Amino acid sequence: GAGVSQSPSNKVTEKGKDVELRCDPISGHTALYWYRQSLGQGLEFLIYFQGNSAPDKSGLPSDRFSAERTGGSVSTLTIQRTQQEDSAVYLCASSLARLLGYEQYFGPGTRLTVT
Amino acid sequence: RKEVEQDPGPFNVPEGATVAFNCTYSNSASQSFFWYRQDCRKEPKLLMSVYSSGNEDGRFTAQLNRASQYISLLIRDSKLSDSATYLCVVNIGTGRRALTFGSGTRLQVQP
Repeated sequence: GAGVSQSPSNKVTEKGKDVELRCDPISGHTALYWYRQSLGQGLEFLIYFQGNSAPDKSGLPSDRFSAERTGGSVSTLTIQRTQQEDSAVYLCASSLARLLGYEQYFGPGTRLTVT
Repeated sequence: RKEVEQDPGPFNVPEGATVAFNCTYSNSASQSFFWYRQDCRKEPKLLMSVYSSGNEDGRFTAQLNRASQYISLLIRDSKLSDSATYLCVVNIGTGRRALTFGSGTRLQVQP
């Protein structure tokens, strides 16, 4: 079946511009996560959506970052006034929420470069 | 102290070798555990879950030691294709930020 898809796969933008990154989770998955991964680093949690509950935004690094999830499916991560330190791979993951474990399935990521 | 700690490596081993990675976690309330694999410039992919009784999947064996708060991954008969970064992942419970990822251990299998 179809996995998690993300678009665009690569994005180069000028410092100060806004960008939107899109994630299409696996159909039926109620949980959706955004992470970012800088070169050679681990995954940094950004935001988590679970069903219709209020999202957990505790990982967003600044108020320039926001995300929404429409209709419980597609999600968009928006970065306003991009800075060079925002350059990273932005990964989206989805999962079926389970009582004891959350096996997450990742999309291929969006590689963002801010020049 | 990091919530999930791994030796970054790299572990350089010859084909056919057995190699083991450990990962320690700080939160004793952690409930479930996973190993993910990440190839260079690719997304992480689930390798295996780690069960309390230990579990095996082909050449891969995962074990959990709750008393010492660590999990391990053993790879037998290493293949060139096993070269990747192995991420230790811990779920501390329900809700927010439930999955915490380690920074990964890099494995390089050499011919």
